[in-house]
Parts: sequence; structure tokens; C-alpha cells
Amino acid sequence: QQQVKQSPQSLIVQKGGISIINCAYENTAFDYFPWYQQFPGKGPALLIAIRPDVSEKKEGRFTISFNKSAKQFSLHIMDSQPGDSATYFCAASIRETSGSRLTFGEGTQLTVNP
Amino acid sequence: DGGITQSPKYLFRKEGQNVTLSCEQNLNHDAMYWYRQDPGQGLRLIYYSQIVNDFQKGDIAEGYSVSREKKESFPLTVTSAQKNPTAFYLCASRYRTGTGNTEAFFGQGTRLTVV
Repeated sequence: QQQVKQSPQSLIVQKGGISIINCAYENTAFDYFPWYQQFPGKGPALLIAIRPDVSEKKEGRFTISFNKSAKQFSLHIMDSQPGDSATYFCAASIRETSGSRLTFGEGTQLTVNP
Repeated sequence: DGGITQSPKYLFRKEGQNVTLSCEQNLNHDAMYWYRQDPGQGLRLIYYSQIVNDFQKGDIAEGYSVSREKKESFPLTVTSAQKNPTAFYLCASRYRTGTGNTEAFFGQGTRLTVV
């Protein structure tokens, strides 16, 4: 119920290409879906986030597509650049009586070749 | 500068020893979290706390303990009962609003190695 499944585990894209990372969830009580970017040896940083009442959100080259009926969401990176090479995590947030918690996917290691 | 400070960045521990990882935030956030990161497994929640003097177990709490005596501080103790403690540990904080969630801010992590 608390799991978020992410794919692929690794992704190699040429500069200028489109990177697509997918996530799926089961628990319909999740109400907030952020994506995080992490560089080696650093903590993750928020990239973009979406709520389930919206089907798409775009910020610069980054777009989240959200399919509520399929319980899936994806991150699209347009015009991928070598500086985008990092590990990307999707996450889902749920409010419980004890507080709000974030559950993360397994991560995707993106490599953008120059 | 506001942010989350984790210390130390690298930590070595002998088997059978307890060790405490520090996490301090000056963002005035209510909620704080500890995650463990292992290759290929994403971030797994160890403990979290919504308010001072209260905390909850996450998905992998066994072998760990926490305290929340101050809003700014949420230290994590890795006890000798944790069978495989070598990992990258991340602390995060979030603030609670009445209308919805906000982003989690992460520290730079502590890499713990058992020798």
C-alpha cells in the first residue's frame, strides 16, 4: 500500500534528447507527488511536484504527467543536458494521524552523453 | 543561511558500538525525518517526528532510535542491534500548512561505515 515503483533503474540519453522516467503507486490516499534530483554525495533536492487533481505540470524543461486512473506519473526532461546527469527519485506523500510521510521510488540513474 | 545541517559527513564505527548522527535545522519546520539510502533501494524511512517530544517509527526502525527534545534538532542513534548499518543517512524537514503539503528539504547526508 505504501510502495512507489519506479522505472527504469538506469537511463542513458544523448544530449538534446528526451528523458522519461515512470512511477506507479497503489495507495489512492497519496495526495502529493514530488520528484527529486540527487547528485553524488549530496542530499536530494526538489525538482517539480504535482497534485492528483492536475494532469500535467511544466517547469522549464521538466514536465510531470499524471494519470490518476492508472495510478501512474512520469517525469519528462526535454532537451536533456549533461548537467542533468543525476539520480532522480519520484515520491508520494500521504497524511496519517501521526503526521505526513513521503515514500520514495527506487531511483533512476540518468546519464546524458554529450 | 537557512537549511539543514547534518554532521559528521563521514563516520566510521566499529561493530558493536552505538553511534549518533546529528541533524539540525533553522528553517522553523515542524516535521523532521530520517531516511536511509542504499544503492538501488531508494530512500527508506527510519523515523519521523511532527512535533517536539513525539516521533513515529518508519518502515525500517529496528536498530535505530531518535529523540526530539528541541524543534531544531532530531538526532539519530544507530545501535549495535542494527545488523547492516553501513549506508548513507539523510535527514529532512518539512513544514505543515493547513492547505496541503510542502517540499521536503534534505541535508547533505552522513555516510556511515562499519569497520
